[in-house]
Amino acid sequence: SAVISQKPSRDICQRGTSLTIQCQVDSQVTMMFWYRQQPGQSLTLIATANQGSEATYESGFVIDKFPISRPNLTFSTLTVSNMSPEDSSIYLCSVLQGVNTEAFFGQGTRLTVV
Amino acid sequence: GQQVMQIPQYQHVQEGEDFTTYCNSSTTLSNIQWYKQRPGGHPVFLIQLVKSGEVKKQKRLTFQFGEAKKNSSLHITATQTTDVGTYFCAAKNTGGFKTIFGAGTRLFVKA
Repeated sequence: SAVISQKPSRDICQRGTSLTIQCQVDSQVTMMFWYRQQPGQSLTLIATANQGSEATYESGFVIDKFPISRPNLTFSTLTVSNMSPEDSSIYLCSVLQGVNTEAFFGQGTRLTVV
Repeated sequence: GQQVMQIPQYQHVQEGEDFTTYCNSSTTLSNIQWYKQRPGGHPVFLIQLVKSGEVKKQKRLTFQFGEAKKNSSLHITATQTTDVGTYFCAAKNTGGFKTIFGAGTRLFVKA
């Protein structure tokens, strides 16, 4: 299993500002991902965080809006840039330790943009 | 890309009643996973099914994978208030490293 520390757990931000969310894993993992979950909805994959290279974004998500870093095999950040109220959501970090294995999740960051 | 459809969207049951959620795909799946998310929590892995026709049990939970590997179900016998939450099925993309979630079924249990 993997233990994931994600912070902040929640934040209230002014529109137009940016927030960086951190994800720290207690062991080296093969893959790290970022998801968004709007209230009462399913999880939508934002991107795959690639170690040492640019993240791979899903359709509808772009690097300028959601820059991602992954400097090593245990840490990643997601920035939500130039926020608007539509960005209010829960953002979740997820890791896989191998192909076709279970996904482990951080506790999530509940973001409210006002 | 891989997509899984899940029904119902939500279900209200009386404690002690059974509950079932269904997951369907238009394409053959290599495997299917099930997760539970408690209110205010994050998704937690329950099980993975890989083989055609596979049936697995965890106490009151029974998981099935269809013969064609295109559908799956989760059945809870005699629900309890601790079963409250959202149950998601999830499939892997072709490479096996992205986890794609169904819409989820939210279970409400009335004591």
